[in-house]
Amino acid sequence: GQQLNQSPQSMFIQEGEDVSMNCTSSSIFNTWLWYKQDPGEGPVLLIALYKAGELTSNGRLTAQFGITRKDSFLNISASIPSDVGIYFCAGPELMKTSYDKVIFGPGTSLSVIP
Amino acid sequence: DTEVTQTPKHLVMGMTNKKSLKCEQHMGHRAMYWYKQKAKKPPELMFVYSYEKLSINESVPSRFSPECPNSSLLNLHLHALQPEDSALYLCASSPRQGARELFFGEGSRLTVL
Repeated sequence: GQQLNQSPQSMFIQEGEDVSMNCTSSSIFNTWLWYKQDPGEGPVLLIALYKAGELTSNGRLTAQFGITRKDSFLNISASIPSDVGIYFCAGPELMKTSYDKVIFGPGTSLSVIP
Repeated sequence: DTEVTQTPKHLVMGMTNKKSLKCEQHMGHRAMYWYKQKAKKPPELMFVYSYEKLSINESVPSRFSPECPNSSLLNLHLHALQPEDSALYLCASSPRQGARELFFGEGSRLTVL
């Protein structure tokens, strides 16, 4: 099946710094999703991308759908302590039936040092 | 606040117990999902219900039995679980199957002794 990879695996940054992380796939995706998960909570959808080259912002977060359709990027500007958590990229794995399922990358763990 | 509600938040059960996890959404979504998440791992799909019918079963052992009584409710019945089944069980919904935006509940933390 299709697989997603995320880098870096973990990050430790100073409060106020900008953050960049990315997600790559072994095959083409037609949708990219970025989720954040706080400890003990369910993932929360941050940004959804639907077209190659698309750039979408949500507050201090900006995500891009890569031109090759095999990657996506998430940037966080001016990080704050509440940005701490695990960031997952996700996308629909195309199945032989008309149904598809959303698969998740392994995640990037972000720690912010005040 | 999440609009997908899961109960209980925490559950401890023995290997011979029968218990159930419950999930409820009132967003009018027609697809509902169960995911399993182990520590420091991404969520893994277990089941998908579309219009109250089971459409995807990811080869989940029969000791996990899903049920969708109506379009707002999703249950996961648990019986004869193993300690390795201990995990965070996440319910999610989406407007329809194939809509990629999933809305997750806070999860039910299951411990099997």
